[in-house]
Amino acid sequence: SAVISQKPSRDICQRGTSLTIQCQVDSQVTMMFWYRQQPGQSLTLIATANQGSEATYESGFVIDKFPISRPNLTFSTLTVSNMSPEDSSIYLCSVEDTAGRPVETQYFGPGTRLLVL
Amino acid sequence: GQQVMQIPQYQHVQEGEDFTTYCNSSTTLSNIQWYKQRPGGHPVFLIQLVKSGEVKKQKRLTFQFGEAKKNSSLHITATQTTDVGTYFCALISSGTYKYIFGTGTRLKVLA
Repeated sequence: SAVISQKPSRDICQRGTSLTIQCQVDSQVTMMFWYRQQPGQSLTLIATANQGSEATYESGFVIDKFPISRPNLTFSTLTVSNMSPEDSSIYLCSVEDTAGRPVETQYFGPGTRLLVL
Repeated sequence: GQQVMQIPQYQHVQEGEDFTTYCNSSTTLSNIQWYKQRPGGHPVFLIQLVKSGEVKKQKRLTFQFGEAKKNSSLHITATQTTDVGTYFCALISSGTYKYIFGTGTRLKVLA
């Protein structure tokens, strides 16, 4: 199974600033996903990041607000730009691991807990 | 788009009691997955169901896929305090290969 780390694990930010979250995987993966999980809520997909192409954003999420980089098969970043208190949430990266398995399985990073004041 | 509802939203049980959460889709599913998220943790994959009427067991956990492939259930027998957490069902949207998570059921087990 893939092992995923995220940095930072948590942060408190002032409104109007930006925060870049890093996601590192211990193996090469094709598909990486970024989710947002507001307190007590389910997971909402922000975008899919594939190496070598532009990220694909879900309805309600735009590149100017959540720019994503995917420079190689083990790393991705998500930036939360011009933050407001409504951006306070947990941000999770995940990867899909199909190596040697018949089942598509998602592995999640530990998450980044963001509080915007 | 596809929506996945789970009931109940919350459940408090006494340790040793059984627990069931239900996952309902508005459309026929090709598959359904279940994840568990401990408090303060991240979702962890439990299982995937693919076949109509499929039943799979993991120790005290029993997973079932409905005959019409529009619903699924997770049943825990004789809950323990280690079962505490939020249980999510998830489906892979056909065509887009994106994961859509259910609304989740938060389980509390009282010792």
